[in-house]
Order: sequence, then C-alpha cells, then structure tokens
Amino acid sequence: NAGVTQTPKFRVLKTGQSMTLLCAQDMNHEYMYWYRQDPGMGLRLIHYSVGEGTTAKGEVPDGYNVSRLKKQNFLLGLESAAPSQTSVYFCASSSPGQFVYGYTFGSGTRLTVV
Amino acid sequence: QQQVKQSPQSLIVQKGGISIINCAYENTAFDYFPWYQQFPGKGPALLIAIRPDVSEKKEGRFTISFNKSAKQFSLHIMDSQPGDSATYFCAASMSNTGNQFYFGTGTSLTVIP
Repeated sequence: NAGVTQTPKFRVLKTGQSMTLLCAQDMNHEYMYWYRQDPGMGLRLIHYSVGEGTTAKGEVPDGYNVSRLKKQNFLLGLESAAPSQTSVYFCASSSPGQFVYGYTFGSGTRLTVV
Repeated sequence: QQQVKQSPQSLIVQKGGISIINCAYENTAFDYFPWYQQFPGKGPALLIAIRPDVSEKKEGRFTISFNKSAKQFSLHIMDSQPGDSATYFCAASMSNTGNQFYFGTGTSLTVIP
C-alpha cells in the first residue's frame, strides 16, 4: 500500500547512545517532516525538508539531525540520546501541488531513552 | 509558544450527542486550518479542513466553524458514535512555508454508549 513507512516501530536506547530513524514514502512527495508527539504538547516539528538535499529546522531541532539524500527518504538522527528525547516520533510527507490534502503520516516510532 | 491553542484537553460525550472542540490562533498569516484524527497506535489522519474565506464546512457528521475576526475555529461532531473515540488535533498553516503545520495540543474524545 502507498504511504509513509517508518522504521523501527519501537526502540529503547541508553542515555548517550545514537540511532537513526528512517522514513520512506512512495508517493513522490516533495516535502517531508519529522514531528515528535508528547502528552499535553501535541505534535511539534523537529526538522523538515522541501526537497532532495535540503533541510530546515522546525520548532524543536536541538539534539537532532536530519538528511534527505534521496527524495523518498528522510532520516532523523540522535547523536547522543537523552531521556528528554523519549517520545513518539512521526514522519509525514506532502506535496506542494496537493496542499489541501494535508499530510500523510507514518504510524510512528516509540522511542524510550533510559 | 503555542501557535494554536486547543481546548478542552479531554471530552466525554454520550452516544448521539454533539462533540465540540475549539481552537484559537494569533498569526493572521495562517490560511489553512485542518483537523486531524488519531486512533491509538496510529499516525494522525486528515479529517476535514477549511480556508479562511468560508465560515463553515460540513462533511457528513463533521463540521468546521470558522470565525476569522475572533481568530477561532471549532470542530463539531454531530450524532457522536463510539467509533469517533480518538484524539483530535487542530492545526494551522501558511501555504508559502513548505506546508509547515502548527498543531494544537490535542483533545482526547471518548464517546460512551
């Protein structure tokens, strides 16, 4: 099925460890996003990309890095995980020509940092 | 600073009743206001959306009411059903910023039979 696929779905990290979350979309969307969802905070934008090779900071970028080497993939990296990064991470994609259709979200990655 | 403020945080409604969720914003440059529905363990999915040139949009049992002068918009769910139990997020966006959305904090809706 077409859509946004996130891997892994669950992960437990120790403080200081690093990891990469992978997001892949097969809808040929130009724009991709990484959000984190925390109780009582809603969805907050971490980083986004408006095209292959371009990235930009969102509301809460500190402690994260991203790369968009291929149009269909958007990677989110944590270089040195902290307990404050315990969250559910959602990737989303959209197209500038389909603005009214909003985002297509992945099913999320639940990350726990101990 | 929360760009979009949403209330209430949680809502319990009887089956057949009306669920109302409210959102407010400050940035008058926002020009697109969607509502997303999220079930446990799933990503949010677009439910209904409105542009500020109309005051109301209805799709089935779901209606968005928009008050541009008050900078407020709300979601009304008529004849609420247990299957509507989910978390609802309002959002706002400016169409010239890479489709970047600002989300409210979410409302957990429970519809009891």
